[in-house]
Amino acid sequence: DAKTTQPPSMDCAEGRAANLPCNHSTISGNEYVYWYRQIHSQGPQYIIHGLKNNETNEMASLIITEDRKSSTLILPHATLRDTAVYYCIVRVGDDKIIFGKGTRLHILP
Amino acid sequence: DTGVSQDPRHKITKRGQNVTFRCDPISEHNRLYWYRQTLGQGPEFLTYFQNEAQLEKSRLLSDRFSAERPKGSFSTLEIQRTEQGDSAMYLCASSVLAGFEQYFGPGTRLTVT
Repeated sequence: DAKTTQPPSMDCAEGRAANLPCNHSTISGNEYVYWYRQIHSQGPQYIIHGLKNNETNEMASLIITEDRKSSTLILPHATLRDTAVYYCIVRVGDDKIIFGKGTRLHILP
Repeated sequence: DTGVSQDPRHKITKRGQNVTFRCDPISEHNRLYWYRQTLGQGPEFLTYFQNEAQLEKSRLLSDRFSAERPKGSFSTLEIQRTEQGDSAMYLCASSVLAGFEQYFGPGTRLTVT
């Protein structure tokens, strides 16, 4: 079973920051937090991952709480192309991915 | 394009027929994964290879399913005696050995009538 809990859906206005929460209260010390997204009819796409520290790349920022029991993915300026299902995953670095149902993010024009 | 490719993109077959899908990973990626995704669900892990060795198989992979990666490059997934419950998107992903990111292909959508 997936080790994460995410809201089933969220809305965000175009141009605003999209903040997607994830709970992973049973995360182990050697497990990373990963985010993938899946745009309709495409394969999942890697976004970002982190262990303890906050991370940022060209796509998004990942904020992990100090106790590592939850995290937030931030898309700083959401566009219509960001409409997708976003999966929060915890896993050891090179292990298989166990997906949950994710959060369906709707970007509203 | 140097991403993961899958062939065919769509397959319609009648119940009881055999089907085979192909996945070409990113060049020099040692690991290759197969996942299955049904409507409204996240992808489910099926199996993975490290080079030509099949290292793990999910209990979802019944004896009607077989996967190979004969030369450590492309992989095939065969389903024998297809059933309507096999209708799904079959996704392939690859990664470098002990790498963090898995790169997914576009998937093969199977419809069993």
